[in-house]
Amino acid sequence: KAGVTQTPRYLIKTRGQQVTLSCSPISGHRSVSWYQQTPGQGLQFLFEYFSETQRNKGNFPGRFSGRQFSNSRSEMNVSTLELGDSALYLCASSLELGGNPTDTQYFGPGTRLTVL
Amino acid sequence: AQKITQTQPGMFVQEKEAVTLDCTYDTSDQSYGLFWYKQPSSGEMIFLIYQGSYDEQNATEGRYSLNFQKARKSANLVISASQLGDSAMYFCAMRVRGSQGNLIFGKGTKLSVKP
Repeated sequence: KAGVTQTPRYLIKTRGQQVTLSCSPISGHRSVSWYQQTPGQGLQFLFEYFSETQRNKGNFPGRFSGRQFSNSRSEMNVSTLELGDSALYLCASSLELGGNPTDTQYFGPGTRLTVL
Repeated sequence: AQKITQTQPGMFVQEKEAVTLDCTYDTSDQSYGLFWYKQPSSGEMIFLIYQGSYDEQNATEGRYSLNFQKARKSANLVISASQLGDSAMYFCAMRVRGSQGNLIFGKGTKLSVKP
């Protein structure tokens, strides 16, 4: 099976712009989660989508949004970029059968966003 | 609140030796999963091993084993016969039942394998 894919791998934007990142989960996985990783804050949960519905959201401002399509592919959008949004954005997919806490999340290679 | 603590920011190990990476967790939930991930400098988070809170036996996956001590709330990763390719950041993570998608990560341990 192909793994989780993320595009693009690298992005450079300027403050005030917006950006859209894409994630394709492992075939058959219906849940997609997004994380932000920075040197200062570490790995932080952004949101999770399952069957096109956002089920959970982390503590991020409304500038961060996402969606999931019927084929489970997901996008996240960051509007009005700030310097502090520079980070590695990781997406993960999992089967999510019945909310089992041991359902493993498999991660993609990440998108490294630099905001100038 | 749930929390993962990794107290070793960095560790060195000689090639072919075993190494233990520490992880303690805090949760009041009875049903949870504990995970270890490896992150090389390329950035991808690679799943290594998991342990469920109700699993009575410690998990093993090849050279990786998880030393799960529920009473002490610890879930240490043991890597046997270290290889140069094991040099990376290692993250311990936890997820509780009902927390859709939300993995809580520790700050990580940077492991360096010396030839």
